[in-house]
Amino acid sequence: QKEVEQNSGPLSVPEGAIASLNCTYSDRGSQSFFWYRQYSGKSPELIMFIYSNGDKEDGRFTAQLNKASQYVSLLIRDSQPSDSATYLCAALEGGKLIFGQGTELSVKP
Amino acid sequence: NAGVTQTPKFHILKTGQSMTLQCAQDMNHGYMSWYRQDPGMGLRLIYYSAAAGTTDKEVPNGYNVSRLNTEDFPLRLVSAAPSQTSVYLCASRRFDSTEAFFGQGTRLTVV
Repeated sequence: QKEVEQNSGPLSVPEGAIASLNCTYSDRGSQSFFWYRQYSGKSPELIMFIYSNGDKEDGRFTAQLNKASQYVSLLIRDSQPSDSATYLCAALEGGKLIFGQGTELSVKP
Repeated sequence: NAGVTQTPKFHILKTGQSMTLQCAQDMNHGYMSWYRQDPGMGLRLIYYSAAAGTTDKEVPNGYNVSRLNTEDFPLRLVSAAPSQTSVYLCASRRFDSTEAFFGQGTRLTVV
């Protein structure tokens, strides 16, 4: 099983700031990448996916993919306390969804 | 619309006992997976199935699955060990979609 790596954090940012979450992957054959959000005690839910190099924006969220560097990131603008959660990066490898360790984000009011 | 349903939500098992964790989805999804989640470890893939009748093991020993139909994907712990204490998550997705839907999880403690 190829690897997906994230810094486990915790990452703490003040309310209104930009939170930057990073992920690297080892399988150059991976084509699709995902960011899931998981609140404590709950199941993961999909926030964004990205296939192409560059940026993809959805509201306050921007996913960035650099296939040459095997790097995926998620930016959260105007962070809110309700964004406090664990963010999981995942790569699709041969039909299987492979997750990183998750980064815990805390947004302080 | 039930989505992905897992039972039980919580269970305590003694070392050496066996148990089946149930997972069912009503969305006619082809892909189904089992993950375990431990603190600081993210989600680790245990078993994967691309269709009824096919399964793919990702971790050695301790677990078995069956996929007799599209809807159900039960995970069996053959002889439970304390190292299998974890939260178990079942997920499904369509062949033509990349979004995976998760069940609410089973929190299993092996004592």
